[in-house]
This record gives sequence, C-alpha cells and structure tokens, in this order.
Amino acid sequence: QVQLQESGPGLVKPSETLSLTCTVSGGSISGYYWSWIRQPPGKGLDWIGYIYYSGSTNYNPSLQSRVTISVDTSKNQFSLNLSSVTAADTAMYYCARIRNPNLYMDVWGKGTTVTVSS
Amino acid sequence: QTLVTQEPSFSVSPGGTVTLTCGLSSDSVSTSYYPSWYQQTPGQAPHTLIYNTNTRSSGVPDRFSGSILGNKAALTITGAQADDESTYYCVLYMGSDIWVFGGGTKLTVL
Repeated sequence: QVQLQESGPGLVKPSETLSLTCTVSGGSISGYYWSWIRQPPGKGLDWIGYIYYSGSTNYNPSLQSRVTISVDTSKNQFSLNLSSVTAADTAMYYCARIRNPNLYMDVWGKGTTVTVSS
Repeated sequence: QTLVTQEPSFSVSPGGTVTLTCGLSSDSVSTSYYPSWYQQTPGQAPHTLIYNTNTRSSGVPDRFSGSILGNKAALTITGAQADDESTYYCVLYMGSDIWVFGGGTKLTVL
C-alpha cells in the first residue's frame, strides 16, 4: 500500500527557507493530489497547500506569499518550501494524499518536526 | 477568513454515545463541503475515519458514523471505548481548491 515519508532539516534559522520532501512509496505519484499539513506544538492541524501530479497548486491564503510546493514525478516525490520562517513556523509537518473525488486526505506520513531557532 | 468550528472538548462514558460537531462561522455545512473526519492520538499522525460526510474509511469500526445534523457536520461514536480517547478533527472543502481544518475536539472517555 502507499506510504509517505517526510524528510528534511529538523532545525532552520529564522528568516531562512524551510525545505521538506515527501517520498511516495508503494504507488505512483501520478494521477493524485498531494498536500502538506502542519501542527504547531500543542495546537491543531493547519492545511498548507496541495499540488497535483501535473504541477498545479493552491495554497492556504494565510501562507500563500511564502509557500511553494513542487513535484518531481521521476523521483516520486513532492516538496515544500516555506520562506522567511519565524518561530511561529515551528511545527510537525505532515504530507498526505488527497483523494479526488470526495476530496479528503486518505494516506498520511508520520510527520517530521521542524524547529525554527537561531 | 472562514472559521471551521468544533467543540474544544467533550467527555463520554465508556459504552456511551457522543456526537461531535463541525460548523462554519458564516454558513451552514452541507454535503457540498465534503466533510471528513480524522482521529489523532498524542504523538501520532492523523488517521482518516470518515469522508464525504458519512463514508467510513477502510477498517474503521462501524461505531463511528458521520452525518449532517442541522447546519453542521457531525461525527457520532456509539459505544465509546477507552481507546477512542483522542482528538478529532473535521476538514471542510471550501471550493477553489482550499481545505480548512477545524480546531479539533479532545474527547475524554471516563
């Protein structure tokens, strides 16, 4: 079955760019929508954005100016870049698959913790 | 920005029934919002329970059910068990390729 694995630096300095990758195994990235979600410590889940395997994207309006999601179908991966980070971006970051139709997240990665600190 | 509202906390007795709700600050929730529900225990990734209002994800026990109640989406747990103690999140599809999570309901079984 499809599994997702997030990877990337666990520590990022303020004002720098957070970069994470989600690797899809057990299935193809093609034909599906893929998403990033985050969860600050002790708080709820927050949708960051999505990408279709063809490259079309959309983002949470509150993060839109700082977020870029990209896809590499040859590597079965998609990535998140979040620029100009602050301590408020410290969170667990999850990647997930979105099923269409029905428009829900059906497979989740285990998550990766990112701390923003100097 | 539209807010998706959930009860911050709820408690239920073992074997009891509880209904958690998911509303909108500026509209009624309907099936057009494709409500989905996720369960999260501490230290774990979310787990999909319900999608498209009332369809259980594969392997989810039938004590979990989804519906529209009045102007909100609802998750009902019938015959609550100790390991149902979790935080439950709803997600609504807002159209224009935007999804919004509710703030989550922390359910205590005691």
